[in-house]
Amino acid sequence: EAGVTQFPSHSVIEKGQTVTLRCDPISGHDNLYWYRRVMGKEIKFLLHFVKESKQDESGMPNNRFLAERTGGTYSTLKVQPAELEDSGVYFCASSPLGLLHEQYFGPGTRLTVT
Amino acid sequence: DAKTTQPPSMDCAEGRAANLPCNHSTISGNEYVYWYRQIHSQGPQYIIHGLKNNETNEMASLIITEDRKSSTLILPHATLRDTAVYYCIGPGQGGSEKLVFGKGTKLTVNP
Repeated sequence: EAGVTQFPSHSVIEKGQTVTLRCDPISGHDNLYWYRRVMGKEIKFLLHFVKESKQDESGMPNNRFLAERTGGTYSTLKVQPAELEDSGVYFCASSPLGLLHEQYFGPGTRLTVT
Repeated sequence: DAKTTQPPSMDCAEGRAANLPCNHSTISGNEYVYWYRQIHSQGPQYIIHGLKNNETNEMASLIITEDRKSSTLILPHATLRDTAVYYCIGPGQGGSEKLVFGKGTKLTVNP
């Protein structure tokens, strides 16, 4: 069974540019989560999809971040415009419905904003 | 969010048991405790979870005290590949399915 995949693995962009991160969850997993770790800080929750609906987006830092999950399959996280403080590692995780908190994480996307 | 407290670092000899403690005195009666780990440069990996009884799976054992204020994750025969940051996690508020990560314990398994 393929795990959670994320693309790209690394991204280096300049301040003010736009970046889109992609996450492909494990097939059949209706729950999809985004987390991030910024330099020197703990891993923080960003948001949670159930199928295509946003269940909890309380962790989204501001309106420069937009997450979508059209069709309830893969998800994208767009940062526009990127700021220096957005640098960090962005993780995606997925889980089946009803399997609370047993989340399968992808390898992460390392974003560097210069 | 349920708050957990863990020692920042621990060392263990290869082949010996690694016992990682966690205090979670604010966890409520129906909230599970989850353990994850993050090996360098990888995404977090689920290990085990429990409510009130001791649990065991192919990766580890989880011992939860009767008052549920603390727990211990046990890796029975630690290997070098078990070197990682281990997170004891309580759930988010109000039944939220988000994981609330703290600083975790950096476990170093030495040869």
